[in-house]
Amino acid sequence: DIQLTQSPSFLSASVGDRVTITCRASQGIRSYLAWYQQKPGKAPRLLISAASTLQSGVPSRFSGGGSGTDFTLTISSLQPEDFATYYCQQVKSYPLTFGGGTKVEIK
Amino acid sequence: QVQLVESGGGVVQPGRSLRLSCAASGFTFNSYAMHWVRQAPGKGLEWVAIIWYDGSSEYYRDSVKGRFTISRDNDKNNLYLQMNSLRVEDTAVYYCAKNLRAYGDYTGPFEYWGQGTLVTVSS
Repeated sequence: DIQLTQSPSFLSASVGDRVTITCRASQGIRSYLAWYQQKPGKAPRLLISAASTLQSGVPSRFSGGGSGTDFTLTISSLQPEDFATYYCQQVKSYPLTFGGGTKVEIK
Repeated sequence: QVQLVESGGGVVQPGRSLRLSCAASGFTFNSYAMHWVRQAPGKGLEWVAIIWYDGSSEYYRDSVKGRFTISRDNDKNNLYLQMNSLRVEDTAVYYCAKNLRAYGDYTGPFEYWGQGTLVTVSS
């Protein structure tokens, strides 16, 4: 199975901050990586597919990068509605796996 | 608009069975692979199973293989998860999710998710 390690697992930041979350895969997955946002009590929302393709309706302050084993999700200017938990997911092979999550909280 | 509505969750004793359903609308259901994903209370996301758009293939995570069966009815736009021999560690919110791309794409990611249904396995 492909393991995904997210860091940090917890992040405290202020509105307007630039935030970067990393996701490392246990083996190369080219660009087969997605990012999701989940708020408490809600289903996850797909933000980015293919490592860097922003989904329709997702604000442009979100961006994704990387390929192979190392990936990033960056929020250029954190907004109040961005406080949530973020997950990466590899879609290269079964079983499809998720990172452990990064909780972004208000400083 | 795309809607996925799960039902069938509840409290069940270890070793018993439960069948989850997911009613889909707002898209051409028979064109997309569908997934089940679960989330234990306070924990992360865990992919459970996929069924191809035409029902011709299924894949499962090892921990549910032989106990869970994913199926679909493309005439009724419904997705199902039959869960047998349930264990305490199967306790989770179960989500159905639509594959991002149609037809020959079978690994996601997941474009739309339902609201989830809670399965609690407890004696």
